[in-house]
Amino acid sequence: DTGVSQDPRHKITKRGQNVTFRCDPISEHNRLYWYRQTLGQGPEFLTYFQNEAQLEKSRLLSDRFSAERPKGSFSTLEIQRTEQGDSAMYLCASSAQGAPLHFGNGTRLTVT
Amino acid sequence: QKEVEQDPGPLSVPEGAIVSLNCTYSNSAFQYFMWYRQYSRKGPELLMYTYSSGNKEDGRFTAQVDKSSKYISLFIRDSQPSDSATYLCAMSEGGGSNYKLTFGKGTLLTVNP
Repeated sequence: DTGVSQDPRHKITKRGQNVTFRCDPISEHNRLYWYRQTLGQGPEFLTYFQNEAQLEKSRLLSDRFSAERPKGSFSTLEIQRTEQGDSAMYLCASSAQGAPLHFGNGTRLTVT
Repeated sequence: QKEVEQDPGPLSVPEGAIVSLNCTYSNSAFQYFMWYRQYSRKGPELLMYTYSSGNKEDGRFTAQVDKSSKYISLFIRDSQPSDSATYLCAMSEGGGSNYKLTFGKGTLLTVNP
């Protein structure tokens, strides 16, 4: 069990650019989640997949954000036309059904 | 009023002290309660996971849930410098929404050798 893996660990981008993050969940987990954490705050829920189906999206996830989990394994989170307010830690988590969430170490996004 | 309130600290204690961390909440539908530990520039690591009211012990850690008071606690006995981290409480409504965690802001703990 290598845990939840996220790539890259840190991304610096200029305002207006598109960025994509990848998450590899724990292999036996069919549920995958994205959360966002800003400085001094707890993580906030963004979206949730069960296998390849995206079952819920938070109102925090604007039209510039899109997440996919094409084969029910890894997931990607894309942010288009980044804004400075998008600067945050983007956390991926996975779980088995009914079990607690296990988080990765996140991708820290800095928008300049 | 936020759904989950947690004193951000910082909290500084000497090695060996008993640490008490707390959260209050307003949503009576919360049924699952968790404590996560987060080291600097790392993701949250699950420490304790409890359902409904009661106590749960795991080594030096004890989690308490009092649903009647909407209050949860984490106690750390014989604290060590390696316990220095931010501690996040989290909770969910359970059922079909048990994945949607609501977190407190986190309490920054420093254990001094």
